[in-house]
Amino acid sequence: KAGVTQTPRYLIKTRGQQVTLSCSPISGHRSVSWYQQTPGQGLQFLFEYFSETQRNKGNFPGRFSGRQFSNSRSEMNVSTLELGDSALYLCASSSGGLSGANVLTFGAGSRLTVL
Amino acid sequence: AQTVTQSQPEMSVQEAETVTLSCTYDTSENNYYLFWYKQPPSRQMILVIRQEAYKQQNATENRFSVNFQKAAKSFSLKISDSQLGDTAMYFCAFMKQEYGNKLVFGAGTILRVKS
Repeated sequence: KAGVTQTPRYLIKTRGQQVTLSCSPISGHRSVSWYQQTPGQGLQFLFEYFSETQRNKGNFPGRFSGRQFSNSRSEMNVSTLELGDSALYLCASSSGGLSGANVLTFGAGSRLTVL
Repeated sequence: AQTVTQSQPEMSVQEAETVTLSCTYDTSENNYYLFWYKQPPSRQMILVIRQEAYKQQNATENRFSVNFQKAAKSFSLKISDSQLGDTAMYFCAFMKQEYGNKLVFGAGTILRVKS
C-alpha cells in the first residue's frame, strides 16, 4: 500500500513569490491535513480537508490556502512568501471519520526555503 | 484551547536501558485522544502509540507503553530495551474527539540512544 506522497520534496523560492505543494493521500483516505514545522514554532496545524471541504483551520494568515480534489489529493498554496515561511510542510492523511481515534499517516514533507 | 507541554527538550539513554518521556496537557474536553509520534533524522513522522481518553487501561505496543493519568492530565511514554533506532525526536500530541484530524503537538523531546 503506497504511503502519503508529497511533492516537491525540496524547493527554494524568493520573497514575494508564491508556492504550491501537493499531497497524495493513502488510497481510500478522505482526510488530508497540513502542518508547518519550524525550529521556533514547532509543529503547527494549518488546515484539514475532508471530501473536498475544509473541515478545520489553524491560525495562519490568508496567504496560506488549500484545496482538495475529488480524488482526495490536496494542494496547499502560500502567496507572497516571507522569510518566515521557510519550513518543513507536512501532509497527513487518514480515513477521516469522526468516531474513533483517527491515525494520521504522514508524508515525508516538503522543505521550503525562502530567500 | 488545548496545550501540550513536553518539559524535557533532550534526553539520552544507554542501549538496552529504559527511558521515560514526559508529557502533560491542558484541556476542558472529556473525550479526546493522545498520541506519541516519532520523527527520526529522516524527518518522517511515525506513530508510536495512541490512547483513547475513555480507556483506563494504558496502551502498549511492544517495547513502548504509556502511563496515562487522566485526572493529572499526564501522558508519559516509556521505552524499554532502548535500541539505537529509537534515536529520534518524540512528539506528544492531542486530538479532540469528533472534531476532525487536528493534532496539537508538544515541542518535542530529542532522544539519543547511546551504544
